[in-house]
Amino acid sequence: AQSVTQLDSQVPVFEEAPVELRCNYSSSVSVYLFWYVQYPNQGLQLLLKYLSGSTLVKGINGFEAEFNKSQTSFHLRKPSVHISDTAEYFCAVSEVSLDTGRRALTFGSGTRLQVQP
Amino acid sequence: NAGVTQTPKFQVLKTGQSMTLQCAQDMNHNSMYWYRQDPGMGLRLIYYSASEGTTDKGEVPNGYNVSRLNKREFSLRLESAAPSQTSVYFCASSDRWTGTYEQYFGPGTRLTVT
Repeated sequence: AQSVTQLDSQVPVFEEAPVELRCNYSSSVSVYLFWYVQYPNQGLQLLLKYLSGSTLVKGINGFEAEFNKSQTSFHLRKPSVHISDTAEYFCAVSEVSLDTGRRALTFGSGTRLQVQP
Repeated sequence: NAGVTQTPKFQVLKTGQSMTLQCAQDMNHNSMYWYRQDPGMGLRLIYYSASEGTTDKGEVPNGYNVSRLNKREFSLRLESAAPSQTSVYFCASSDRWTGTYEQYFGPGTRLTVT
């Protein structure tokens, strides 16, 4: 079974500083990778996704992520954060399930980004 | 366009009581999902419906049942609630069940079982 590890449960950062949220996954076969953001008391929304092609993926709100197959990582970055980026960020991996033959989406445990003034 | 809506937003149940969480989407999506979110554990899939007329178990189906009422609606039922089912429940939908399509999430239902 695949697993997704988000190495940091909380990341405090000052406004306008750069940030990197780390994500590693265990699968070695064909995967699709996603980052979702959850603002307080809301559902999740898609930030960006990697399906194929260029390993550097750009998303909404100035975020980007880089797919590194050899390191099985998909870290999320932003060069300059705003207070409004304070939220929880989830990495997710889609892989074909050996049990069902269908793709299943597995979420990491989340990283809480706290942007301080 | 409301997207994915869920009712109720909050619910408190006593152990052993039953309830149904309702979910509807207006995006004409084929696939719908129920997740639960617990602190430090991310989202875990309870049940999903790849297309109208089908439902399948996810990672944590015990204690739950689902009904795909039509293409728009997918309900989650707790027959006999237990404190371990205290959680935030999210419904989501996507155009297809191929793993490439974005999932759209509802605002969640916060359930407490005492």
